[in-house]
Amino acid sequence: EAGVAQSPRYKIIEKRQSVAFWCNPISGHATLYWYQQILGQGPKLLIQFQNNGVVDDSQLPKDRFSAERLKGVDSTLKIQPAKLEDSAVYLCASSFRRRADGDEQFFGPGTRLTVL
Amino acid sequence: AQSVTQLDSQVPVFEEAPVELRCNYSSSVSVYLFWYVQYPNQGLQLLLKYLSGSTLVESINGFEAEFNKSQTSFHLRKPSVHISDTAEYFCAVSDRPGGTSYGKLTFGQGTILTVHP
Repeated sequence: EAGVAQSPRYKIIEKRQSVAFWCNPISGHATLYWYQQILGQGPKLLIQFQNNGVVDDSQLPKDRFSAERLKGVDSTLKIQPAKLEDSAVYLCASSFRRRADGDEQFFGPGTRLTVL
Repeated sequence: AQSVTQLDSQVPVFEEAPVELRCNYSSSVSVYLFWYVQYPNQGLQLLLKYLSGSTLVESINGFEAEFNKSQTSFHLRKPSVHISDTAEYFCAVSDRPGGTSYGKLTFGQGTILTVHP
């Protein structure tokens, strides 16, 4: 079974530029999550999708961040314009939404963003 | 609201020594508890989880964690560590089904375990 795929793995941009990240979840996983992991901190949930609908985006800075999952499969996360404090690893995770396993989430390798 | 506190940001140990990584959580409802491990330049991998039943849960590579409801803790232990256990470990919590935060993981700050030869 292929894991969660993310691209690019690394991205360096200057502040005020825009950037987009892509995630392809495990096949059949209805739930998709985007997390932000700042150096020295644990991951923080930005947005959760159930199929192509948003379940929770309460911690997404909507003035600059946007995300979509148009066909209920892969997803993109965009930042426009980027700020220095957006430097972080952006993790994508997916789950089958199965109560028996505690809705176990599987994580991709992440995209490391550096904003100069 | 939930919160998770990992009491040690870094834990250095020698190979074959025992180790304990501490995790305390705060929640107004019953929770599921998880430990994830993150090796350098890799994503998070689930190490073990507590959903229900026995309060002692084990992983396939010798780690164990015990859910202590009265102390709201879920400490991770291993009796003898290897060099390959060097990684960052994250404790996480989510609501049980029916809770408003079911499926939403709240993570601790992480503990970097460094095993020295």
